[in-house]
Amino acid sequence: SAVISQKPSRDICQRGTSLTIQCQVDSQVTMMFWYRQQPGQSLTLIATANQGSEATYESGFVIDKFPISRPNLTFSTLTVSNMSPEDSSIYLCSVAGAYNEQFFGPGTRLTVL
Amino acid sequence: AQSVTQLGSHVSVSEGALVLLRCNYSSSVPPYLFWYVQYPNQGLQLLLKYTTGATLVKGINGFEAEFKKSETSFHLTKPSAHMSDAAEYFCAVSDRGDSSYKLIFGSGTRLLVRP
Repeated sequence: SAVISQKPSRDICQRGTSLTIQCQVDSQVTMMFWYRQQPGQSLTLIATANQGSEATYESGFVIDKFPISRPNLTFSTLTVSNMSPEDSSIYLCSVAGAYNEQFFGPGTRLTVL
Repeated sequence: AQSVTQLGSHVSVSEGALVLLRCNYSSSVPPYLFWYVQYPNQGLQLLLKYTTGATLVKGINGFEAEFKKSETSFHLTKPSAHMSDAAEYFCAVSDRGDSSYKLIFGSGTRLLVRP
């Protein structure tokens, strides 16, 4: 399985600002995913990020709010823009395995004041 | 659309007791099935998966799950709970042949282990 790291591990931000979260994988992968996990909730898929193409966003998530970059096969970033307290969540990246399983990073814990 | 149901948002067991966490899926075609565990302040760790073949799947940390097609279920069990098993557990499915590789997660079950 892939080893995935995320930066930052946690942050406290002011409303109206933006935060960029980095996801680094120790091997080349085609598909990467970004999830949001609100307090006490399950995971919600934000978007799928494939290298060399635009990210595919799920219903309820838009590129202006959550721009994603995927410059190569081992790295991706998610930006949370113009943050509000409702954006306080854990943000997780993951990569796909051979049988549709996904391997997750440790998450970024975001608090917006 | 595919859905996943985890019965019981909280399950409490005594240390040494049997752990049973329930998961049911909705599709008529059996999907790929997964159980994940999330310890406090950590990401998700894959416990086990069912893709094909033997319906009883063994995973890490002594957990196992049985795929029952007739019941559209994939319940997670462990014969004897340990304090370190206290965590959030998520069942997830992915449709076979789905090139998007998307996972659909259940709502999660928090396992509490009493000393």
